[in-house]
Amino acid sequence: AQTVTQSQPEMSVQEAETVTLSCTYDTSESDYYLFWYKQPPSRQMILVIRQEAYKQQNATENRFSVNFQKAAKSFSLKISDSQLGDAAMYFCAYRSGEDSNYQLIWGAGTKLIIKP
Amino acid sequence: DTEVTQTPKHLVMGMTNKKSLKCEQHMGHRAMYWYKQKAKKPPELMFVYSYEKLSINESVPSRFSPECPNSSLLNLHLHALQPEDSALYLCASSQVLATDTQYFGPGTRLTVL
Repeated sequence: AQTVTQSQPEMSVQEAETVTLSCTYDTSESDYYLFWYKQPPSRQMILVIRQEAYKQQNATENRFSVNFQKAAKSFSLKISDSQLGDAAMYFCAYRSGEDSNYQLIWGAGTKLIIKP
Repeated sequence: DTEVTQTPKHLVMGMTNKKSLKCEQHMGHRAMYWYKQKAKKPPELMFVYSYEKLSINESVPSRFSPECPNSSLLNLHLHALQPEDSALYLCASSQVLATDTQYFGPGTRLTVL
């Protein structure tokens, strides 16, 4: 069975600085997807970034980028130029590439605090 | 801006009440999901609909009853809930069941007294 581990329950960063959130996963599959979702106090679960396992290039979305290390089964999220609006719970999630396996496997989450 | 909407935002109900949560998506997706989320925990999958048919029921108690009237709407009917059912209920959708990305609504905060 696949598992996702986020080892940092809480992280804090000074506004405008860079922070990296870690995520590791365990799977025997070769085809899968990885996601970072953000959930601010407003509760909305927002997709931040997604990565297809078959792509070697790391995904980026504006200030958000990932460091995808397939062999190490690591999928860290880097947030550059942190802003107050980045404060949220961040969840890492895994989805199998098999069509019949629709479930998202979630990490426990990392609470990100932005210091002004 | 989300294209998955949920109503109401907040709901307080007694254990004998009957209420419904509503979810609507405007992306033409054919798979829709209900999740339950406790504070500071990741979401737990409850139900999955694919092409308006219930595909998955993750052993959810019968006091939760899902309904999918059409491809854009998803309801969750609540009856005789327990205080431990208090949680954030999230709706999500994806293009089809096999599609990788799920998009979430803003959730309904449910409190059972």
